[in-house]
Amino acid sequence: QVHLVESGGGVVQPGRSLRLSCAASGFTFSSYGMHWVRQAPGKGLEWVAVIWYDGSIEYYADSVKGRFTISRDNSRNTLFLQLNSLSAEDMAVYYCARGVWFGEFRYFDYWGQGTLVTVSS
Amino acid sequence: ELVLTQSPGTLSLSPGERATLSCRASPSISSSHLVWYQHKPGQAPRLLIYGASSRATGIPDRFSGSGSGTDFTLTISRLEPEDFAVYYCHHYDTSRPHTFGGGTKVEIK
Repeated sequence: QVHLVESGGGVVQPGRSLRLSCAASGFTFSSYGMHWVRQAPGKGLEWVAVIWYDGSIEYYADSVKGRFTISRDNSRNTLFLQLNSLSAEDMAVYYCARGVWFGEFRYFDYWGQGTLVTVSS
Repeated sequence: ELVLTQSPGTLSLSPGERATLSCRASPSISSSHLVWYQHKPGQAPRLLIYGASSRATGIPDRFSGSGSGTDFTLTISRLEPEDFAVYYCHHYDTSRPHTFGGGTKVEIK
C-alpha cells in the first residue's frame, strides 16, 4: 500500500537551513505530483509547495517563495524540501502529500505522518 | 485571492448527533476541486470527500458532502466516537497556491 514517510525535521536556529525528505513507496512515484503542507502549533493546515510528477513545474506559497525549494528524485522515490533562512514563523509539522488528478477531480489522497521543524535560538 | 471560511470554529456535540460543517468560498470555485479532510492530533490528515460530494474509498456513508459555487457543507449524520477531530476544506488549484479553510473542530460535548 501507499506509504509516505517524512524525515529531516529537528531544532534549527533562526536564519539557518534544513532539508526535509519524504520517502514514497507502494505506488509509481514518478506518475504523481507531490506537495508539502505544514501546520504551525495551534494553527490550521497551510499549503507550502508542489512539484509536478516529472519535476518540470514548481509552485510555492507566497510565505516561502524565494526561501524554500521543492525537488524530487524519481529514481529514489523521494521528495525533498530545502528550507533556507528559517524564522519562527516556519516552525511547524511538515507533511508531504500525494496529489491526484482523477478526471475533473483534484485532491490529496495520501499524506505522511509529518516531521516537526522547530526554529529556536 | 481565494478565501475559504469555515464555520463554526468549534462544534460541541454528543455521539449520535448530527454535525453540519460549512465552508464558504470567496470568490466562487469549481466544486470538482473542493475537498474535505479529517485530521486528528499526531496523525496524517485523511481524505474524506472530493469533488464536493464524492466519498473517498473506505469512508463510511455517515459522511456526506454537498454544495456548489460559494457554499459547501460536510455533514456527519450520526457522530461516532472516532469522528471527533478537526475538519478542513481545501481548494485544489492547479496553477495557483492552494487554499485551506481554517478548520472546524468537532469536540465531545
